[in-house]
Amino acid sequence: GAVVSQHPSRVICKSGTSVKIECRSLDFQATTMFWYRQFPKQSLMLMATSNEGSKATYEQGVEKDKFLINHASLTLSTLTVTSAHPEDSSFYICSAPGHYGPDTQYFGPGTRLTVL
Amino acid sequence: GNSVTQMEGPVTLSEEAFLTINCTYTATGYPSLFWYVQYPGEGLQLLLKATKADDKGSNKGFEATYRKETTSFHLEKGSVQVSDSAVYFCALPAGGTSYGKLTFGQGTILTVHP
Repeated sequence: GAVVSQHPSRVICKSGTSVKIECRSLDFQATTMFWYRQFPKQSLMLMATSNEGSKATYEQGVEKDKFLINHASLTLSTLTVTSAHPEDSSFYICSAPGHYGPDTQYFGPGTRLTVL
Repeated sequence: GNSVTQMEGPVTLSEEAFLTINCTYTATGYPSLFWYVQYPGEGLQLLLKATKADDKGSNKGFEATYRKETTSFHLEKGSVQVSDSAVYFCALPAGGTSYGKLTFGQGTILTVHP
């Protein structure tokens, strides 16, 4: 089946640094990808929609300048957490619509970000 | 937009017990409904789905029926196994112009003991 990968799986960084997370669709092209944030014992919160060749669309309340999204190709979207702070520590998950339409999503395994 | 309310957990069961996780939704029209599962250390996987009213989705012994009368999509399994321990999410399309976006329930942690 379709696979979505994320890199890195875990990252620990110091407060004030920037961290880039990659999301790749391995065997299919994705003009759209989604970035979610998952807090401990809570549901997934949609952060933004990544659009290949155009600007990302952010959900209300998500800081565009803090969470930079770039959809450089049909198989790669990146999320950069700029000037990270401890409150940005979370589990970040990406997804991409599958072959069978937008209602079918393939999810990456997630990236655990810890900001010290 | 659409929304979903999911039974709060955590749920702890013994092996071979019956499982029900409740899910109700609010939506415009009749969108597809989904259950996703997240095993420890892994990403979300689609467990099952139903695309129209009265449809029953099933996979790995799990079932859920799309009930438009009660706006529900409860997840059931007759006999759970230790390997079913995971977090389960009910979901549906976010609605409106949100092409491809999903709205998730809060997730239910299931722990099955031998």
